[in-house]
Parts: sequence; C-alpha cells; structure tokens
Amino acid sequence: DTGVSQDPRHKITKRGQNVTFRCDPISEHNRLYWYRQTLGQGPEFLTYFQNEAQLEKSRLLSDRFSAERPKGSFSTLEIQRTEQGDSAMYLCASSPRGADTYGYTFGSGTRLTVV
Amino acid sequence: RKEVEQDPGPFNVPEGATVAFNCTYSNSASQSFFWYRQDCRKEPKLLMSVYSSGNEDGRFTAQLNRASQYISLLIRDSKLSDSATYLCVVISGSDYKLSFGAGTTVTVRA
Repeated sequence: DTGVSQDPRHKITKRGQNVTFRCDPISEHNRLYWYRQTLGQGPEFLTYFQNEAQLEKSRLLSDRFSAERPKGSFSTLEIQRTEQGDSAMYLCASSPRGADTYGYTFGSGTRLTVV
Repeated sequence: RKEVEQDPGPFNVPEGATVAFNCTYSNSASQSFFWYRQDCRKEPKLLMSVYSSGNEDGRFTAQLNRASQYISLLIRDSKLSDSATYLCVVISGSDYKLSFGAGTTVTVRA
C-alpha cells in the first residue's frame, strides 16, 4: 500500500453535470477525511468518516454534495448539478483512529474545473 | 473571523537569508499545532509539529505562544528548495479534523 489514492487526478465538466470522485485510503486507517481547497486558500474541512459512519459534515457541504464510505474502505464524493463555484482541488486524507496529524496522509487530490 | 489567520506574504528572500512569519488562531481550546508545506498544485505535507516549549528541525524553528494565541515558523539559511506555501494548521477537537490557514508564500531567489 503506497498511500492514499485519489481518482481522477483532473476532471473538467460542464456546469450542471454530476461528478464523482474516489478515494482509496491506507488500508489500516479507519478515519477518512475530505477537504476542499480553492486558489489562494488553505484546505477546508468537508466531512469525515470513521469506518463506514459519516460522523460530521461541514456547512460547506450543500445538499448537492454527498459522500459515502461503504464497508469502511474506499470513499466517494459526488457533486450533483455542478456549479462554477465548485471548481477546486478536492483532497482526501486518512488516519488511524486516535492519531494526531502524524498519522494523517493526504492523497494527491482531484482537481475539478467546472466550465 | 477565520479560525486560523496567516500573513499571505509573499516573502521574497535571497538564498541564505532568514525568514520568519506567524499565524494566529482564535480558539483558545486548540490543543495541537502544526506547520505544513505545500508545493504548487500538490497536496499538503507535514513539515513539523509545534510544541509549547518551541522546537527545531534542522533549519526550521517553530514556536507557540498560547497566551497570545500565535504560532511562528523561522527558516534559517534559506534554500531554493524552501520555496513553497507554508500552511499553519490547528486541531481543536477530538475528531482530529485540521483547520488550515490560507498559507504564507515564500520564494527564495538565487
């Protein structure tokens, strides 16, 4: 296991289309986080899972966004009816339970461009 | 008010110079503090933790001032490879979600 994998690396979509991103965490990590980063800003927390349970969702996560982590393994983040304001880098991170940031590993991110 | 605020810079310094910058955090109950480094269009990577007593890692020195709620990073003998955005990160809850500042851009020139 070489780390956290995200797919795709880049996605260009037309406004109004739906998109889905995938994150494969480090296999023994039971916590999985999604962050969003726009140009000139630091990453902002979106949501996190402990195993398959989604424990918190940010106010940033409108009803067009949904995340799942079936069976506590990989996770998907879906954006419905994309808007230009959704253009950002979507970062996934995983960590073992109870770890501080030393246990955090970020994926390389999915860069979304909505045209 | 944002939870973590940083001077965005940019700090343009010559090789060999010392550069230092701060960040402030708003939640007095924050318990863990870090500096991350992010290269252009890459993911953030942990640079170092910040401890109350201050700590060094090679040319990098981090300080925490809980009374004034700020964190600092000092880079000595700057290298070209230090050019990056430095993100201040705070953890304030038991769920370990990270709160990031917007980043401070450092450019080291030859």
